[in-house]
Amino acid sequence: GAVVSQHPSRVICKSGTSVKIECRSLDFQATTMFWYRQFPKKSLMLMATSNEGSKATYEQGVEKDKFLINHASLTLSTLTVTSAHPEDSSFYICSAGGQGVGNQPQHFGDGTRLSIL
Amino acid sequence: AQSVTQLDSHVSVSEGTPVLLRCNYSSSYSPSLFWYVQHPNKGLQLLLKYTSAATLVKGINGFEAEFKKSETSFHLTKPSAHMSDAAEYFCVVSDGINQGGKLIFGQGTELSVKP
Repeated sequence: GAVVSQHPSRVICKSGTSVKIECRSLDFQATTMFWYRQFPKKSLMLMATSNEGSKATYEQGVEKDKFLINHASLTLSTLTVTSAHPEDSSFYICSAGGQGVGNQPQHFGDGTRLSIL
Repeated sequence: AQSVTQLDSHVSVSEGTPVLLRCNYSSSYSPSLFWYVQHPNKGLQLLLKYTSAATLVKGINGFEAEFKKSETSFHLTKPSAHMSDAAEYFCVVSDGINQGGKLIFGQGTELSVKP
């Protein structure tokens, strides 16, 4: 079964809306969570690394005020796209680092398709 | 700095024929390497991983990969393709396996399987 739950799976909203995406680790504690963005037919681009109880580390070129990350507990990280615009439309994927099932380096959520009208 | 290069953006095979997806890596030390598969509008599923144990790694769904240090390669193979194998495949290198080290993704290879 899934070890990382990402919600919602799809969001369609108007320009200017803020959207929150949740990433939960199931049955294991994730001290580190990662947020990726994926454009059509492209690879995953790491946006930020989220560490429980501390500020996220953003990759170069990612606006931290635009993409707010909160990792308040060992099982939940959230990504909020503030004042979203059409260019923010994308597929966002989270992953949780930890031993978890199968000793994988990261366990991935099923992604969130964000469409801004 | 570590990186991976997937040599083919798209591979097309016929059902029942072998699959070869190529990946070369660059790493300043012994890397941890992975292959992930992504079906449309889905997250990523781990196929297999290499972490300095056996150089021939067997994964799920009949896939395997061989770590060749001399060639800095980690190609993914499967003897006989199935229609359900059609998906996007990513070769990935990690800078540390414990507690979720940062992953560096290749550009991906889209596998098409013809009936």
